[in-house]
Amino acid sequence: DTAVSQTPKYLVTQMGNDKSIKCEQNLGHDTMYWYKQDSKKFLKIMFSYNNKELIINETVPNRFSPKSPDKAHLNLHINSLELGDSAVYFCASSPSGGTMVPLHFGNGTRLTVT
Amino acid sequence: LAKTTQPISMDSYEGQEVNITCSHNNIATNDYITWYQQFPSQGPRFIIQGYKTKVTNEVASLFIPADRKSSTLSLPRVSLSDTAVYYCLVTNTDKLIFGTGTRLQVFP
Repeated sequence: DTAVSQTPKYLVTQMGNDKSIKCEQNLGHDTMYWYKQDSKKFLKIMFSYNNKELIINETVPNRFSPKSPDKAHLNLHINSLELGDSAVYFCASSPSGGTMVPLHFGNGTRLTVT
Repeated sequence: LAKTTQPISMDSYEGQEVNITCSHNNIATNDYITWYQQFPSQGPRFIIQGYKTKVTNEVASLFIPADRKSSTLSLPRVSLSDTAVYYCLVTNTDKLIFGTGTRLQVFP
């Protein structure tokens, strides 16, 4: 009964492909996020959704398109993958957005673009 | 967002108390200090959060001096399973920015 689950755990693909990462949370939280951890281990926010509505978009290229079919799911679709997209992508959730309440993270999806 | 500075790495032995200090000279009045722990191949896990003085939970204690320009995460009697990266964050929103953190290695 994992609280925040992401699939797949590993994703290896070639440049130019389109791929999706799925995330689901069973905590009943209203807010979900995508974070990116690069090779230097810096972890930064990409997007946040509150009850299916986009709240934060941190100047991420528009090749990245989050989609939230309902408040328990937040998927990340990436078009035309580039080498620099290789990173670990973490989904997270919190009871309410905009505040410093603790975030609950998934275990990440390691994306490798060759 | 207030910038934080913490040691890159620390070593300890099982059973010892570990104190990790974080500097945040530019902390704002409405900022909170939050610590996360991250194991390899896992997402960060919330440990503790505080605003001033001392906060304690079942995992750790957080000491914050009156000027709030630094904070110390204290892990009592560490075990091998405490080997992880510990991140100090200063924020008043959910737009978290994690630095490189402190890599704690616990030896038997």
